[in-house]
Amino acid sequence: QSALAQPASVSGSPGQSITISCTGASSAFGVHNYVSWYQLYPGKAPKLLIYEVSNRPSGVSHRFSGSKSGNTASLTISGLQAEDEADYYCSSYTSRTMSVVFGGGTKVTVI
Amino acid sequence: QVQLQESGPGLVKPSQTLSLTCTVSGGSIHSGGHYWSWIRQHPGKGLEWIGCIYFSGNTYYNPSLKSRITISGETSQNQFSLQLSSVTAADTAVYYCARDSNGYNFLDVWGKGTTVTVSS
Repeated sequence: QSALAQPASVSGSPGQSITISCTGASSAFGVHNYVSWYQLYPGKAPKLLIYEVSNRPSGVSHRFSGSKSGNTASLTISGLQAEDEADYYCSSYTSRTMSVVFGGGTKVTVI
Repeated sequence: QVQLQESGPGLVKPSQTLSLTCTVSGGSIHSGGHYWSWIRQHPGKGLEWIGCIYFSGNTYYNPSLKSRITISGETSQNQFSLQLSSVTAADTAVYYCARDSNGYNFLDVWGKGTTVTVSS
């Protein structure tokens, strides 16, 4: 059982916006904002989408945005596209154990 | 552009030690500020952070795996390695190496992963 809870699946139609939640105990998120989101396609290297809750690395589409409120972080994908069908993982750095924890992952389906 | 490539045996027997190497190209593992990490994904399951090594040699491990893990840097070959001892079928997974660019969960460069099966 992951320290961070994500829905197993989220679906949406092309052009819609979807939001993936990531809920954890305060011990998982801590008091910092070191929450990241990763995108995984089968057989490919994972890709960093969001770091420090809401920052996008260079080259990541503006359609991906992140936020956090209390013990829940969220990833929103706007203008959903077929290519967004993938698995998405939230993760957090935990200062208490100086380690990283991941959520269980969410499969996004574009219907 | 920094690239990472995992290598090692795809099959390990139970109770033995799993050994993997990550070769870094396009950059040096001694460049300051980077943490060189290992992550795994069990079949059909989520990601699990294993641990990392800082360019100074300091290591940080997943508390649940700490007793079985050793991560080390291979200076001359620009590589870093993972050793996981006393493996069981539960250690069967895709193993990824990755670069954490600030030590706070900024895993911005990943290898493509290598599948390791634990079986007799």
